[in-house]
Amino acid sequence: EADIYQTPRYLVIGTGKKITLECSQTMGHDKMYWYQQDPGMELHLIHYSYGVNSTEKGDLSSESTVSRIRTEHFPLTLESARPSHTSQYLCASSFSLTGELFFGEGSRLTVL
Amino acid sequence: EDKVVQSPLSLVVHEGDTVTLNCSYEVTNFRSLLWYKQEKKAPTFLFMLTSSGIEKKSGRLSSILDKKELFSILNITATQTGDSAIYLCAVPGGGSEKLVFGKGTKLTVNP
Repeated sequence: EADIYQTPRYLVIGTGKKITLECSQTMGHDKMYWYQQDPGMELHLIHYSYGVNSTEKGDLSSESTVSRIRTEHFPLTLESARPSHTSQYLCASSFSLTGELFFGEGSRLTVL
Repeated sequence: EDKVVQSPLSLVVHEGDTVTLNCSYEVTNFRSLLWYKQEKKAPTFLFMLTSSGIEKKSGRLSSILDKKELFSILNITATQTGDSAIYLCAVPGGGSEKLVFGKGTKLTVNP
């Protein structure tokens, strides 16, 4: 079983609020990723990190930001949430690029 | 640009049927191809393929890679309702540290 955790699992907030989605893994993986996925739709990479102090934007433009101060922790922040941010956010990590990606259970965000 | 194309996008079958899901890819510097199954929540890993012609098998699921023709197939025999899910194919990007995912095949197995 993968040791990667996301909190909160579900969040309903109002427009304009700042939120942080937490992601932690205990496997010592250098590579971590954030994906955005609407129900029944494809995965879109929004941020990734090669290791501590490394962050890169993904394929899908996102107003969110990320940080990687510690290997095990890769939080995603929305400074001012909007209804268009309503989606599921999946965090993942891997030991190597060519190997298995371990996913967290996801954070389902609803912005009213 | 790296690309992964899966077909069909959607498939509805009856329990006991055998299905074949397809994944074709275009990527510079191919290293591996991965299959995932996604039910309600997060994707779970099924197979990683690196060599042509070598079948990977797990129970009723099997997969094979053709590096010459740049595709992989995922077979599920004697399907069950619990096989209903989205099946995702992914390859590492040629020049980047990220996986490129296909859109997935949504499989529905009816009793």
